[in-house]
Amino acid sequence: DTAVSQTPKYLVTQMGNDKSIKCEQNLGHDTMYWYKQDSKKFLKIMFSYNNKELIINETVPNRFSPKSPDKAHLNLHINSLELGDSAVYFCASSRIIGRDYGYTFGSGTRLTVV
Amino acid sequence: KNEVEQSPQNLTAQEGEFITINCSYSVGISALHWLQQHPGGGIVSLFMLSSGKKKHGRLIATINIQEKHSSLHITASHPRDSAVYICAASNSGYALNFGKGTSLLVTP
Repeated sequence: DTAVSQTPKYLVTQMGNDKSIKCEQNLGHDTMYWYKQDSKKFLKIMFSYNNKELIINETVPNRFSPKSPDKAHLNLHINSLELGDSAVYFCASSRIIGRDYGYTFGSGTRLTVV
Repeated sequence: KNEVEQSPQNLTAQEGEFITINCSYSVGISALHWLQQHPGGGIVSLFMLSSGKKKHGRLIATINIQEKHSSLHITASHPRDSAVYICAASNSGYALNFGKGTSLLVTP
């Protein structure tokens, strides 16, 4: 039943490791996003994909690599994790890019780098 | 880049009070979103507005395009309304540009 599901919900890892966060939506939406929420709870766009195609890459270090195998999935892979990567990462989806529709957010993945 | 400002940053109210949260943005937008985030929780979309006013239960959202300003009102506030309320500006769905949020605490 979950519309946008992210896994894992919590991720604790050491500096230098590589980790992935998965996101899946069952809403039939064409557009998916990754947003980062920092320690001050401020949300910022990282990436947006429309039908598997990268649309926005918002000044994110190239250690972050999104991958969209199909329009229902958008995964986030992070190489060489740093302390500053600790944050909550939210996946979201919307019907289609270029027009305004409501957003559906996942429940977030809390990443802690130690 | 669209600067989105929210006020107040923090708000404490007594149960039953009428609450207003304000949002202003610097450049034209295609839509303005209001979102709610409970502590430790996910983000829920409350409203998407491109003009006028929308109402859902005790929540009302308004937007003034000319003044680049939107407000979220909560009538007859209740402790379960305690959450962070975030406004976000949309550029035709390409991405949301967020305000810093308003942390609301409603006490019994």
